[in-house]
Amino acid sequence: GENVEQHPSTLSVQEGDSAVIKCTYSDSASNYFPWYKQELGKGPQLIIDIRSNVGEKKDQRIAVTLNKTAKHFSLHITETQPEDSAVYFCAAARYNNAGNMLTFGGGTRLMVKP
Amino acid sequence: DVKVTQSSRYLVKRTGEKVFLECVQDMDHENMFWYRQDPGLGLRLIYFSYDVKMKEKGDIPEGYSVSREKKERFSLILESASTNQTSMYLCASTVSPRQYEQYFGPGTRLTVT
Repeated sequence: GENVEQHPSTLSVQEGDSAVIKCTYSDSASNYFPWYKQELGKGPQLIIDIRSNVGEKKDQRIAVTLNKTAKHFSLHITETQPEDSAVYFCAAARYNNAGNMLTFGGGTRLMVKP
Repeated sequence: DVKVTQSSRYLVKRTGEKVFLECVQDMDHENMFWYRQDPGLGLRLIYFSYDVKMKEKGDIPEGYSVSREKKERFSLILESASTNQTSMYLCASTVSPRQYEQYFGPGTRLTVT
């Protein structure tokens, strides 16, 4: 089955700096790569995603890049703010007869220091 | 706004007890999922359902069962709770089998003593 590895497990940055989180996946059939943000006491929420036919996608301060050949994708957050502090999860999607199944990475706890 | 609710935020049970975790979504979503979240392991899929009374095993189904009698409700059952099932449990749903985005509930932190 699919295996997704995520690094680093914790990341501490100063407000205004950039943060980068990296993931690798194993199944070349995976074709959709979302990123979820989980704030304290809440469930994960989708913040950005990318499909396998796209190399890069940007939404304001966040961007995701995908390298299908190397099977890795990354989340980039620029001009970090304290409200970016949360746990971030990457995932890779595979489809079976019943629907799209997500395999998640282990998570990255991002701390933005004011 | 999509709303996924879970019956309890915190639950404490004893070893051997039967435990029910309930999840309800209010947007007529077809697919529903149960995950457990453990530090460093991310979210791991326990079971999912793509229709009423239909279910499929995820990556870690051992020790769990599920029930989906109505489209909006998906229950996770621990037949005989054990201490290694102490975890955060998250429910999620998607509009349809082809839809990628999953909407999550706030989670239930279960402690088995």
